[in-house]
Amino acid sequence: DGGITQSPKYLFRKEGQNVTLSCEQNLNHDAMYWYRQDPGQGLRLIYYSQIVNDFQKGDIAEGYSVSREKKESFPLTVTSAQKNPTAFYLCASSIRGTGPLARVWPQHFGDGTRLSIL
Amino acid sequence: DQQVKQNSPSLSVQEGRISILNCDYTNSMFDYFLWYKKYPAEGPTFLISISSIKDKNEDGRFTVFLNKSAKHLSLHIVPSQPGDSAVYFCAATHMEYGNKLVFGAGTILRVKS
Repeated sequence: DGGITQSPKYLFRKEGQNVTLSCEQNLNHDAMYWYRQDPGQGLRLIYYSQIVNDFQKGDIAEGYSVSREKKESFPLTVTSAQKNPTAFYLCASSIRGTGPLARVWPQHFGDGTRLSIL
Repeated sequence: DQQVKQNSPSLSVQEGRISILNCDYTNSMFDYFLWYKKYPAEGPTFLISISSIKDKNEDGRFTVFLNKSAKHLSLHIVPSQPGDSAVYFCAATHMEYGNKLVFGAGTILRVKS
């Protein structure tokens, strides 16, 4: 079945450590996204990528980094510079509509990774 | 600055009745709106969307209404079922925003049997 896989489901980080969250999709989507969800808040965009080897900062990129070396994969690194990393992280992908396909395409989400600080 | 607001944190409805979830937005550039449903420990699932050129879109039990002058949209679920109990997120974007979505904080819907 096509879908988005995020791993691990739960992740623990010690103070001062970097940690990488995995996101893999087999939907053949060009665009991928990382969101953060905190209690009582909506999803906030961290980074997004419209195509391989290209990505842009979202609204809350500080303390995070990403790479997009393959179409299927968009890992997110939470660095030690992120002061409040405890949150639920969601990865999504969508068709990137251009030309005659230019429209808003719904994003498909993985089941998330919950990151906690030890 | 919250551009998309869902002012009701929760809603409780009897099975078989109508559920109405509301969403307000402030950015007049938004021209496309989506609703997502989320169960605990899972990612959001796309439910229904509407373009600003329409004022209504229907898909089975789900209907979304858009009032552009009031910058308000609503999701109607008729009839409500216990399996509809979830968190519902409203999201907005515009074509020049490159498919980036701005989400509301969500509304928890509980459908009682």
